Amino acid sequence: GEDVEQSLFLSVREGDSSVINCTYTDSSSTYLYWYKQEPGAGLQLLTYIFSNMDMKQDQRLTVLLNKKDKHLSLRIADTQTGDSAIYFCAESITGANNLFFGTGTRLTVIP
Amino acid sequence: EPEVTQTPSHQVTQMGQEVILRCVPISNHLYFYWYRQILGQKVEFLVSFYNNEISEKSEIFDDRFSVERPDGSNFTLKIRSTKLEDSAMYFCATSRDRGSYNEQFFGPGTRLTVL
Repeated sequence: GEDVEQSLFLSVREGDSSVINCTYTDSSSTYLYWYKQEPGAGLQLLTYIFSNMDMKQDQRLTVLLNKKDKHLSLRIADTQTGDSAIYFCAESITGANNLFFGTGTRLTVIP
Repeated sequence: EPEVTQTPSHQVTQMGQEVILRCVPISNHLYFYWYRQILGQKVEFLVSFYNNEISEKSEIFDDRFSVERPDGSNFTLKIRSTKLEDSAMYFCATSRDRGSYNEQFFGPGTRLTVL
Protein backbone atom coordinates (compact mmCIF):
# COMPACT_ATOMS: atom_id res chain seq x y z
CA GLY A 1 0.00 0.00 0.00
CA GLU A 2 0.91 3.66 -0.09
CA ASP A 3 3.51 4.65 2.45
CA VAL A 4 4.63 8.18 3.27
CA GLU A 5 7.48 8.66 5.72
CA GLN A 6 8.80 11.70 7.53
CA SER A 7 11.10 12.28 10.43
CA LEU A 8 9.27 13.36 13.57
CA PHE A 9 11.30 16.34 14.77
CA LEU A 10 13.46 19.16 13.44
CA SER A 11 15.00 22.09 15.32
CA VAL A 12 16.55 25.10 13.66
CA ARG A 13 17.77 28.52 14.74
CA GLU A 14 15.80 31.58 13.73
CA GLY A 15 17.11 32.94 10.43
CA ASP A 16 18.50 29.61 9.25
CA SER A 17 16.95 27.49 6.51
CA SER A 18 14.82 24.49 7.42
CA VAL A 19 14.60 21.43 5.23
CA ILE A 20 11.84 18.93 5.92
CA ASN A 21 12.08 15.65 4.06
CA CYS A 22 9.51 13.09 3.00
CA THR A 23 9.65 9.80 1.10
CA TYR A 24 6.81 7.95 -0.52
CA THR A 25 6.41 4.61 -2.21
CA ASP A 26 3.59 4.91 -4.74
CA SER A 27 4.76 5.70 -8.26
CA SER A 28 1.24 6.67 -9.33
CA SER A 29 1.38 9.87 -7.28
CA THR A 30 -0.29 12.73 -9.08
CA TYR A 31 0.19 15.60 -6.65
CA LEU A 32 2.27 15.99 -3.52
CA TYR A 33 1.35 18.44 -0.80
CA TRP A 34 2.74 20.15 2.23
CA TYR A 35 0.31 20.99 5.01
CA LYS A 36 1.08 23.04 8.13
CA GLN A 37 -0.65 22.57 11.46
CA GLU A 38 -0.36 25.18 14.17
CA PRO A 39 -1.49 24.44 17.73
CA GLY A 40 -5.27 24.18 18.00
CA ALA A 41 -5.78 24.65 14.26
CA GLY A 42 -6.53 22.42 11.32
CA LEU A 43 -4.13 21.34 8.64
CA GLN A 44 -3.57 24.26 6.30
CA LEU A 45 -2.36 23.67 2.75
CA LEU A 46 1.00 25.43 2.30
CA THR A 47 1.96 24.38 -1.16
CA TYR A 48 1.73 21.51 -3.61
CA ILE A 49 3.62 20.20 -6.60
CA PHE A 50 2.45 18.24 -9.60
CA SER A 51 4.32 14.97 -9.96
CA ASN A 52 5.72 15.98 -13.37
CA MET A 53 7.54 18.95 -11.87
CA ASP A 54 10.82 18.84 -9.99
CA MET A 55 10.78 22.20 -8.27
CA LYS A 56 8.33 24.84 -7.16
CA GLN A 57 9.16 28.09 -5.41
CA ASP A 58 6.75 30.29 -3.53
CA GLN A 59 8.33 33.17 -1.58
CA ARG A 60 10.29 31.58 1.28
CA LEU A 61 9.15 28.07 0.39
CA THR A 62 10.90 25.79 -2.09
CA VAL A 63 9.58 22.34 -2.87
CA LEU A 64 11.91 19.82 -4.50
CA LEU A 65 10.67 16.55 -5.95
CA ASN A 66 12.96 13.72 -6.95
CA LYS A 67 10.57 11.34 -8.63
CA LYS A 68 13.21 8.70 -9.28
CA ASP A 69 14.02 8.44 -5.58
CA LYS A 70 10.42 9.23 -4.51
CA HIS A 71 11.74 12.00 -2.29
CA LEU A 72 10.03 15.29 -1.54
CA SER A 73 11.45 18.15 0.47
CA LEU A 74 10.24 21.49 1.75
CA ARG A 75 12.81 24.21 2.32
CA ILE A 76 11.86 27.24 4.36
CA ALA A 77 14.30 30.10 3.94
CA ASP A 78 14.98 32.54 6.79
CA THR A 79 12.95 30.47 9.25
CA GLN A 80 10.97 32.52 11.76
CA THR A 81 9.50 31.61 15.15
CA GLY A 82 6.06 31.76 13.53
CA ASP A 83 7.09 28.83 11.35
CA SER A 84 7.10 26.55 14.39
CA ALA A 85 4.41 23.99 13.66
CA ILE A 86 3.87 20.44 12.47
CA TYR A 87 4.41 19.96 8.74
CA PHE A 88 2.65 17.11 6.96
CA CYS A 89 3.66 15.65 3.64
CA ALA A 90 0.77 14.11 1.68
CA GLU A 91 0.17 12.61 -1.72
CA SER A 92 -2.78 11.93 -3.94
CA ILE A 93 -2.65 9.00 -6.31
CA THR A 94 -4.41 8.02 -9.49
CA GLY A 95 -7.85 6.61 -8.82
CA ALA A 96 -8.23 7.80 -5.25
CA ASN A 97 -9.62 11.07 -3.94
CA ASN A 98 -8.30 10.80 -0.43
CA LEU A 99 -4.85 11.94 0.62
CA PHE A 100 -2.11 9.75 2.05
CA PHE A 101 -0.20 11.44 4.84
CA GLY A 102 3.00 11.02 6.73
CA THR A 103 3.29 11.35 10.51
CA GLY A 104 4.14 15.03 10.37
CA THR A 105 7.43 16.71 11.30
CA ARG A 106 7.40 19.00 14.30
CA LEU A 107 9.54 22.03 13.47
CA THR A 108 10.84 23.99 16.42
CA VAL A 109 12.46 27.34 15.71
CA ILE A 110 14.89 28.47 18.40
CA PRO A 111 15.13 32.27 18.82
CA GLU B 1 -11.79 33.28 5.10
CA PRO B 2 -14.22 30.37 5.29
CA GLU B 3 -13.13 27.48 7.46
CA VAL B 4 -14.16 24.02 8.54
CA THR B 5 -15.23 23.79 12.17
CA GLN B 6 -15.47 20.74 14.40
CA THR B 7 -17.14 20.04 17.71
CA PRO B 8 -16.34 19.07 20.35
CA SER B 9 -12.64 19.83 20.53
CA HIS B 10 -12.18 17.02 23.04
CA GLN B 11 -14.45 14.07 23.79
CA VAL B 12 -13.89 11.56 26.57
CA THR B 13 -16.00 8.42 26.63
CA GLN B 14 -16.13 5.03 28.26
CA MET B 15 -15.33 1.96 26.20
CA GLY B 16 -18.48 0.55 24.65
CA GLN B 17 -20.27 3.88 24.43
CA GLU B 18 -21.30 5.69 21.27
CA VAL B 19 -19.84 9.03 20.21
CA ILE B 20 -20.80 11.51 17.53
CA LEU B 21 -18.23 13.90 16.14
CA ARG B 22 -19.53 16.91 14.27
CA CYS B 23 -18.17 18.97 11.42
CA VAL B 24 -19.50 22.04 9.67
CA PRO B 25 -18.12 22.13 6.11
CA ILE B 26 -17.35 25.20 4.05
CA SER B 27 -20.66 26.19 2.51
CA ASN B 28 -20.04 25.57 -1.21
CA HIS B 29 -18.05 22.37 -0.72
CA LEU B 30 -19.56 19.13 -1.89
CA TYR B 31 -17.01 16.49 -0.88
CA PHE B 32 -16.43 15.53 2.72
CA TYR B 33 -13.81 13.38 4.41
CA TRP B 34 -12.87 12.01 7.80
CA TYR B 35 -9.28 11.25 8.74
CA ARG B 36 -7.78 10.27 12.05
CA GLN B 37 -4.37 10.36 13.67
CA ILE B 38 -3.43 8.10 16.53
CA LEU B 39 -0.78 9.75 18.67
CA GLY B 40 2.63 9.47 17.05
CA GLN B 41 1.28 7.78 13.93
CA LYS B 42 0.25 8.89 10.47
CA VAL B 43 -2.88 10.73 9.52
CA GLU B 44 -5.10 7.98 8.09
CA PHE B 45 -8.04 8.23 5.74
CA LEU B 46 -11.33 6.88 7.03
CA VAL B 47 -14.09 7.78 4.59
CA SER B 48 -15.19 10.16 1.86
CA PHE B 49 -18.78 11.27 1.30
CA TYR B 50 -20.52 12.90 -1.63
CA ASN B 51 -24.14 13.40 -2.60
CA ASN B 52 -25.35 11.81 0.63
CA GLU B 53 -23.48 8.59 0.22
CA ILE B 54 -20.10 7.10 0.97
CA SER B 55 -17.70 7.34 -1.99
CA GLU B 56 -14.74 5.49 -0.55
CA LYS B 57 -13.77 4.04 2.79
CA SER B 58 -10.70 2.46 4.29
CA GLU B 59 -10.31 -0.76 6.24
CA ILE B 60 -10.44 1.23 9.45
CA PHE B 61 -14.02 2.26 8.71
CA ASP B 62 -15.69 -0.91 9.97
CA ASP B 63 -19.33 -1.60 10.85
CA ARG B 64 -19.06 0.49 14.02
CA PHE B 65 -18.49 3.65 12.03
CA SER B 66 -21.08 5.62 10.12
CA VAL B 67 -21.36 9.06 8.55
CA GLU B 68 -24.27 11.23 7.62
CA ARG B 69 -25.35 14.74 6.83
CA PRO B 70 -28.56 14.84 8.83
CA ASP B 71 -29.61 18.42 8.21
CA GLY B 72 -27.75 19.39 5.05
CA SER B 73 -25.13 21.34 6.94
CA ASN B 74 -23.47 19.26 9.68
CA PHE B 75 -21.42 16.26 8.62
CA THR B 76 -21.16 13.71 11.41
CA LEU B 77 -19.05 10.69 12.23
CA LYS B 78 -20.65 8.22 14.61
CA ILE B 79 -18.65 5.49 16.32
CA ARG B 80 -20.66 2.80 18.11
CA SER B 81 -19.26 0.45 20.75
CA THR B 82 -16.08 2.46 21.09
CA LYS B 83 -12.80 0.65 21.75
CA LEU B 84 -9.62 1.82 23.43
CA GLU B 85 -7.88 1.83 20.04
CA ASP B 86 -10.37 4.39 18.71
CA SER B 87 -8.57 7.01 20.80
CA ALA B 88 -7.16 9.47 18.27
CA MET B 89 -7.48 12.94 16.79
CA TYR B 90 -10.26 12.95 14.20
CA PHE B 91 -10.07 15.48 11.39
CA CYS B 92 -12.88 16.48 9.09
CA ALA B 93 -11.95 17.84 5.66
CA THR B 94 -13.98 19.24 2.80
CA SER B 95 -13.30 20.11 -0.81
CA ARG B 96 -15.12 21.80 -3.62
CA ASP B 97 -13.88 19.42 -6.29
CA ARG B 98 -12.52 15.93 -6.59
CA GLY B 99 -9.96 14.40 -8.89
CA SER B 100 -6.23 14.43 -9.13
CA TYR B 101 -5.87 17.83 -7.55
CA ASN B 102 -8.38 18.77 -4.96
CA GLU B 103 -7.54 21.13 -2.17
CA GLN B 104 -8.92 19.72 1.01
CA PHE B 105 -9.64 22.13 3.84
CA PHE B 106 -9.24 20.65 7.29
CA GLY B 107 -10.92 21.38 10.57
CA PRO B 108 -8.95 21.69 13.84
CA GLY B 109 -9.82 18.15 14.89
CA THR B 110 -11.61 16.43 17.75
CA ARG B 111 -9.48 14.56 20.22
CA LEU B 112 -11.32 11.38 21.21
CA THR B 113 -10.20 9.61 24.36
CA VAL B 114 -11.73 6.21 25.11
CA LEU B 115 -11.23 5.01 28.68
